[in-house]
Parts: sequence; C-alpha cells; structure tokens
Amino acid sequence: GQQLNQSPQSMFIQEGEDVSMNCTSSSIFNTWLWYKQDPGEGPVLLIALYKAGELTSNGRLTAQFGITRKDSFLNISASIPSDVGIYFCAGKETSGSRLTFGEGTQLTVNP
Amino acid sequence: DGGITQSPKYLFRKEGQNVTLSCEQNLNHDAMYWYRQDPGQGLRLIYYSQIVNDFQKGDIAEGYSVSREKKESFPLTVTSAQKNPTAFYLCASSRCRVGQPQHFGDGTRLSIL
Repeated sequence: GQQLNQSPQSMFIQEGEDVSMNCTSSSIFNTWLWYKQDPGEGPVLLIALYKAGELTSNGRLTAQFGITRKDSFLNISASIPSDVGIYFCAGKETSGSRLTFGEGTQLTVNP
Repeated sequence: DGGITQSPKYLFRKEGQNVTLSCEQNLNHDAMYWYRQDPGQGLRLIYYSQIVNDFQKGDIAEGYSVSREKKESFPLTVTSAQKNPTAFYLCASSRCRVGQPQHFGDGTRLSIL
C-alpha cells in the first residue's frame, strides 16, 4: 500500500526551541492530518488540512498542506516539556479511501 | 463526554488462548478501526468497518477477527493463530466513511504470559 515518509524519526531539543517535521508521499493526497501521542495513550488529532497550500494553526502548532499535494509540514514554536511525545502524520490519497499513517517523530524536550 | 472507550487497559494472554479486546464509542460514528502499534513501527491497520454487519481486512488481518453487530461496538479477537500478539492495540472511529479524521481510544496493551 501507500507509504508515507515521515522525518525525522526522532528529535532532541532544548525547551524554547522551535521544531519542524514533515511527511512526504509518492502520490497526490487530498487530506493531511497531524496527531500527537502521549506515552500509553491513543493519538489525539492536532490539525486537519484539506486544501493545497492551506496553513492552519493550533496554538503554538502550525501545519501546512504542501502545494505539490505530496507533502505536509508541522512546526512547533517555543517548545515546552509537555510537547514530548510521538507526532504522526496521516493522509488520504485523492484516488484512495483509507488513511495512511507515517511512522512517527519522537520528540524529546530537555528543560 | 463523547469518546471511545477501550478495555481492558492491560491484558495478559496465555499461549494458545484467544482474547477479545473491547471498543465502544458514543460519538455516533459510522466507521470504526483497529490498529496495532509496535515500537518504532507506527500504526498498522488490522480491520475496519464502515457500517454495521460489514467489515474489511486491513494490512495485517491474519490471526485476528472482528464483529460489528452494533454501531457503537467493534470488538477485536486476537486468536491463537496470531503468533506474535504482544503489542499496543488502538481502536478508532470516524464520521461517515473511511478517510475522514479518526478519533482514537487510549489503547489496550496485550502481553503474552
């Protein structure tokens, strides 16, 4: 099936730094979603994107639907310790029906 | 509050034993899903259901079975045919149809004794 390449796999940053991660696909998507998973819990939807070029914010988080429709980016500004967790991208192909998930970015924030 | 409830949180299985994981949602969502999560491997789809009394295999359905007798409930049975069942299992649901944003439960961690 469709594969999503999510990078980086892990990040170690200092509190207060900005963070950027991305997902790319080999085909065109019409939906991009970003989730966060805390240890031992289920993923929680952070941001949903539906149009090429769309830029959406949720507090300190900003995500963009790439104009090529094959990628998406998530930025976190001024990181804090509670940002620690695994961030997943997910997307749906224009020609498909199911969501595909990336393998996640493990974020560690040092106080 | 509306949401998805998975139970139990932790489950232990003996070799050769079937176990059933519960998933209930009160979001009035039509579609429900089961995922398996292993360390460093993201989420892999086991089964999904778009409507009551209908379900489809995902990418790793072997050794698992499901039923969808009620809209609110989508239990997953891990059978003895699943040779490596130790994992974190996540249930999700979405409105209307597959491909919509999914909302997740808090998971069940299954371990083999």
